[in-house]
Amino acid sequence: NAGVTQTPKFQVLKTGQSMTLQCAQDMNHNSMYWYRQDPGMGLRLIYYSASEGTTDKGEVPNGYNVSRLNKREFSLRLESAAPSQTSVYFCASGFTGAKETQYFGPGTRLLVL
Amino acid sequence: GESVGLHLPTLSVQEGDNSIINCAYSNSASDYFIWYKQESGKGPQFIIDIRSNMDKRQGQRVTVLLNKTVKHLSLQIAATQPGDSAVYFCAEKGNEKLTFGTGTRLTIIP
Repeated sequence: NAGVTQTPKFQVLKTGQSMTLQCAQDMNHNSMYWYRQDPGMGLRLIYYSASEGTTDKGEVPNGYNVSRLNKREFSLRLESAAPSQTSVYFCASGFTGAKETQYFGPGTRLLVL
Repeated sequence: GESVGLHLPTLSVQEGDNSIINCAYSNSASDYFIWYKQESGKGPQFIIDIRSNMDKRQGQRVTVLLNKTVKHLSLQIAATQPGDSAVYFCAEKGNEKLTFGTGTRLTIIP
């Protein structure tokens, strides 16, 4: 049981380049989330998917797109990377419901030059 | 939007002593709270959770206390060990999504 996995672990991009961050979970969770974590700030929600086939914007969605490929996989795409998107990105998953614990992946460290 | 905050950004504790990490929340409608531990270079790790109909919950070496009157949450770690060194942050749930605090860094003094 691997939990939540993310690829890649680290990436360097030039401004304007695109990339997709991959996330997969094997816990049969309904909901999946993408967060970014910046120094001095709490985790901020970018996008989430409450169930397969649905996605919704979070607190900071600008510059990102997501795809809920199936129940297991939820990808985050940067179409045209900007230095402001330099951050650590975490994927999380959990069951939808009143008591909603989220379990996190190991993160992807992204540097945009 | 509602925010979750922490009283102290850093906390240094002697090995073997108990640690107490505090968190204030502002959304009185929040009904579920989680404490996470994040070690350097890793993702947040679930430690313990508590629902708003409880005021105390215990786990292995950890206890979470919830005071709804003053909107305060605390995490107590008993007999702190070097492996407890990490950033700890709380999260609250009030509207189907979690809101996270910025975290407290716990440092263990040998």
